[in-house]
Amino acid sequence: DAKTTQPNSMESNEEEPVHLPCNHSTISGTDYIHWYRQLPSQGPEYVIHGLTSNVNNRMASLAIAEDRKSSTLILHRATLRDAAVYYCILILNFGNEKLTFGTGTRLTIIP
Amino acid sequence: DTGVSQDPRHKITKRGQNVTFRCDPISEHNRLYWYRQTLGQGPEFLTYFQNEAQLEKSRLLSDRFSAERPKGSFSTLEIQRTEQGDSAMYLCASSHGTPGENIQYFGAGTRLSVL
Repeated sequence: DAKTTQPNSMESNEEEPVHLPCNHSTISGTDYIHWYRQLPSQGPEYVIHGLTSNVNNRMASLAIAEDRKSSTLILHRATLRDAAVYYCILILNFGNEKLTFGTGTRLTIIP
Repeated sequence: DTGVSQDPRHKITKRGQNVTFRCDPISEHNRLYWYRQTLGQGPEFLTYFQNEAQLEKSRLLSDRFSAERPKGSFSTLEIQRTEQGDSAMYLCASSHGTPGENIQYFGAGTRLSVL
């Protein structure tokens, strides 16, 4: 399985944008890039996913590099409720169904 | 749609006892997954069902672990002869989608403590 690399932790001020990076240099052409987050004492929660083009939804934006070897999750205006561990996961299309979590990035929001 | 439900939320047991956890997926989701999460780590895949068929099992799932999904609805995860190393959060997720774009919805988990 292709692997992802994320910083262990990041901090951001409340109400400012947050850019969470993910490197996936061994990504294959059929791998989707998924982001999940896990708030304290909760199960993981889907955030966003994409294949090649940048994606936006109500929670966040996903910017995918042209060579697809990296991506960035963008929270446009961080709130205290966004404090969580964020996981970048590659999912092989037409492959196995499981999510392979790394250790993720622990995001701390400073009031 | 009430989301994925797991029961119990917490379970304390003595070493050597058997425990069983239940997961009720989102209705009409045909895929159901079990994961285990220990402190400070991301969740680790245990097993996966499509409808009632168990399609994949991780090497983490020793002979003491068994999972079922009768009639393709709820699922149970049983751990026999529990060990202290089994202490963890057990997470269930369900999904219904195209492979690769398969979005999984997680329950809040069952936290197991083996004394």
